[in-house]
Amino acid sequence: GAGVSQSPRYKVTKRGQDVALRCDPISGHVSLYWYRQALGQGPEFLTYFNYEAQQDKSGLPNDRFSAERPEGSISTLTIQRTEQRDSAMYRCASSLGFRDRTNEKLFFGSGTQLSVL
Amino acid sequence: GIQVEQSPPDLILQEGANSTLRCNFSDSVNNLQWFHQNPWGQLINLFYIPSGTKQNGRLSATTVATERYSLLYISSSQTTDSGVYFCAVYSGGYQKVTFGTGTKLQVIP
Repeated sequence: GAGVSQSPRYKVTKRGQDVALRCDPISGHVSLYWYRQALGQGPEFLTYFNYEAQQDKSGLPNDRFSAERPEGSISTLTIQRTEQRDSAMYRCASSLGFRDRTNEKLFFGSGTQLSVL
Repeated sequence: GIQVEQSPPDLILQEGANSTLRCNFSDSVNNLQWFHQNPWGQLINLFYIPSGTKQNGRLSATTVATERYSLLYISSSQTTDSGVYFCAVYSGGYQKVTFGTGTKLQVIP
């Protein structure tokens, strides 16, 4: 697609429910990243993929958070048993590649605003 | 982990004024990018600048990786420049990107 697409744009859920956030990267982009941004702060790294392989998940806060990218394109970030502290903007970014540093420029989607009541 | 500090944290400019935003990082980095987050929350990539100087219209950026800092220059500021400016660095793990603390800029007419 023309840009990184995320859905839903807004998600309101009750504490304890599971949520799945979707990211569709720019067509042909090999690398995909997930970030979380609290109000008034910079994006915080969660995890990233090269193709379908999850390369680094050190930023995932706990085992309630997981991500997948089974076919190397669309990715899903899943939060199980949501808690109020999970409320934030969840952002996805993609880049063309990683072998050539000139392809590492990040392009961000509009994000999913998650509110846990 | 690496620390990325930006200064100033807040900046108010009169339209037409120039400004310099600074990004300091605590360890060697593989790469650096500057982003603008507009008032609607969109994160736009301004520069991909591992070293040297780049210019794009009224904006330019310089990175001195050996001294662990980068500068973003905004000339003849416009109200549309308002928002938060972030620098982001690649460190440690090959592609793990760490964002700085941000500079909130307000340009008043």
